[in-house]
Amino acid sequence: SQQGEEDPQALSIQEGENATMNCSYKTSINNLQWYRQNSGRGLVHLILIRSNEREKHSGRLRVTLDTSKKSSSLLITASRAADTASYFCATVRNSGNTPLVFGKGTRLSVIA
Amino acid sequence: EAQVTQNPRYLITVTGKKLTVTCSQNMNHEYMSWYRQDPGLGLRQIYYSMNVEVTDKGDVPEGYKVSRKEKRNFPLILESPSPNQTSLYFCASSPERGVLTFGAGSRLTVL
Repeated sequence: SQQGEEDPQALSIQEGENATMNCSYKTSINNLQWYRQNSGRGLVHLILIRSNEREKHSGRLRVTLDTSKKSSSLLITASRAADTASYFCATVRNSGNTPLVFGKGTRLSVIA
Repeated sequence: EAQVTQNPRYLITVTGKKLTVTCSQNMNHEYMSWYRQDPGLGLRQIYYSMNVEVTDKGDVPEGYKVSRKEKRNFPLILESPSPNQTSLYFCASSPERGVLTFGAGSRLTVL
């Protein structure tokens, strides 16, 4: 079953604008991760945020985590055409030996 | 270079002809997993392995088999492929509860 659900499913913005995508999940987690996928290629890890963290930055990426709402957001600032890709959140649950579970992704299009 | 290598990258086969997609990682990761990706359905987990000789079903295991006899290898076996198994397959590995490293993908077409 898919733990994380991204929202929106698709997003189209102009170059230079900020892009925000959200992820909701269902159970308690150890950490939440964001990945990027260029069309038809393997996913690439962007950022990991642990359950005891609220915000994390990496370059133009800002991730927030609200464990009370079971949600996370990924903000890409000053977007570029090269940011066009699909973005997935994935969660690692807190209990037992459970695998990383992905959502269906947000398809981001950045128009030059 | 740390990587996950899967082969073949592209394969066209016919219904019922057994095939194996190999996956190998050189990072000494405990965890390995297979996903399939279909339009509109995101990544769905087929099987995963927390360590050698330990495998578990994911969300869509029907029609697939796996084995984990060595830490580095996690092959995906389609005993009798059917057209509904036409998909893009990804292998991935990670340290326990860590970041996944993905292979480049294997695009399989079953006629």
